[in-house]
Amino acid sequence: NAGVTQTPKFQVLKTGQSMTLQCAQDMNHNSMYWYRQDPGMGLRLIYYSASEGTTDKGEVPNGYNVSRLNKREFSLRLESAAPSQTSVYFCASISDGEKLFFGSGTQLSVL
Amino acid sequence: DQQVKQNSPSLSVQEGRISILNCDYTNSMFDYFLWYKKYPAEGPTFLISISSIKDKNEDGRFTVFLNKSAKHLSLHIVPSQPGDSAVYFCAASDSGGGADGLTFGKGTHLIIQP
Repeated sequence: NAGVTQTPKFQVLKTGQSMTLQCAQDMNHNSMYWYRQDPGMGLRLIYYSASEGTTDKGEVPNGYNVSRLNKREFSLRLESAAPSQTSVYFCASISDGEKLFFGSGTQLSVL
Repeated sequence: DQQVKQNSPSLSVQEGRISILNCDYTNSMFDYFLWYKKYPAEGPTFLISISSIKDKNEDGRFTVFLNKSAKHLSLHIVPSQPGDSAVYFCAASDSGGGADGLTFGKGTHLIIQP
């Protein structure tokens, strides 16, 4: 029972490089989310997908794109990384009881 | 504008005593509230929740109290244990808002002193 799996766990990028953060859940949840956590800022929603085939912007979507590949997978792409995107990124999915289940996070540093 | 506020960035409590973590919210549409616990290098994990139709929910050592008129909730941990040292996030959702995600506070770092 893996729950929510994120890859990679750590990544260092140079400014302007691109990368995709992968997320998969095996709980058959409809809704999936990407949050970022910054010191003193809590968890902020970047994008979410309420169901397969739909995506919507959250609180801080600028500089990111997402793809809901199928019901299990929801990826986050940084097309041209910036130092302001240095953060810890969490993928999550939600049960009917409105409880978010989180992955273990991706620590991203942009130099 | 922050809709969920945790005004204490950190809290230090002696082992065995009660820990009280506070959370205020501004959006009157919120009707479901949750507390998450986060250890370093791990994702947040669900701890306890409360619906707006209740004013108290208890689960073992953890109790959440909701005061709707004051738009305030609190998490009580009794007795506090060393393993409770973590960052605690308060989160809120509006009706049917589960699919829109949760709105989180900035977190309170709880430190349990031996």
